[in-house]
Amino acid sequence: AQSVTQLDSHVSVSEGTPVLLRCNYSSSYSPSLFWYVQHPNKGLQLLLKYTSAATLVKGINGFEAEFKKSETSFHLTKPSAHMSDAAEYFCVVSGQRGFKTIFGAGTRLFVKA
Amino acid sequence: NAGVTQTPKFQVLKTGQSMTLQCAQDMNHNSMYWYRQDPGMGLRLIYYSASEGTTDKGEVPNGYNVSRLNKREFSLRLESAAPSQTSVYFCASGGLLNYGYTFGSGTRLTVV
Repeated sequence: AQSVTQLDSHVSVSEGTPVLLRCNYSSSYSPSLFWYVQHPNKGLQLLLKYTSAATLVKGINGFEAEFKKSETSFHLTKPSAHMSDAAEYFCVVSGQRGFKTIFGAGTRLFVKA
Repeated sequence: NAGVTQTPKFQVLKTGQSMTLQCAQDMNHNSMYWYRQDPGMGLRLIYYSASEGTTDKGEVPNGYNVSRLNKREFSLRLESAAPSQTSVYFCASGGLLNYGYTFGSGTRLTVV
């Protein structure tokens, strides 16, 4: 069975400071992991994905995530927040071949000027 | 610059009415999905279609039916709408390998 837990429902940062959005997962086999971003009243956009290649994954808009098997974590980071990063972020674990994907409950990121 | 197109974008139904949500993708993806999004619950899978001609239940299939009309189109039907089906519905498609999904812009459905 698979599950994903996003540890914070809300995160607030100041513009120009680092962003950390935390995600833990559970999977009975080697998982595929993703982060998606959803801006208000929009669909979801793929930020980055881990599919058993390099453990440090770089995505769009300066985001990256590190797969840590020993900690069952896949935290999303960005060195310097921008106002346009304000959105909801979803951590996702995918089953084999991509079916029955499990979404986390989401973390809403607020960026203060 | 299409991707995944959903119609309609907004809909209000009365309890007991029926409707079909339409979804079409132009990326030649094999798999397609219907999700519902409710506050604080992330996205939950309703039904999916691994390939043309096949459909399977997801996490919350009750009250819904789907049709994979062809490789491009995957529709979601509510036969008798209930207030509990008030939600935002997203269609998504995915390629053969597990490289993530492309989502439509969503349908906001209210059942009164």
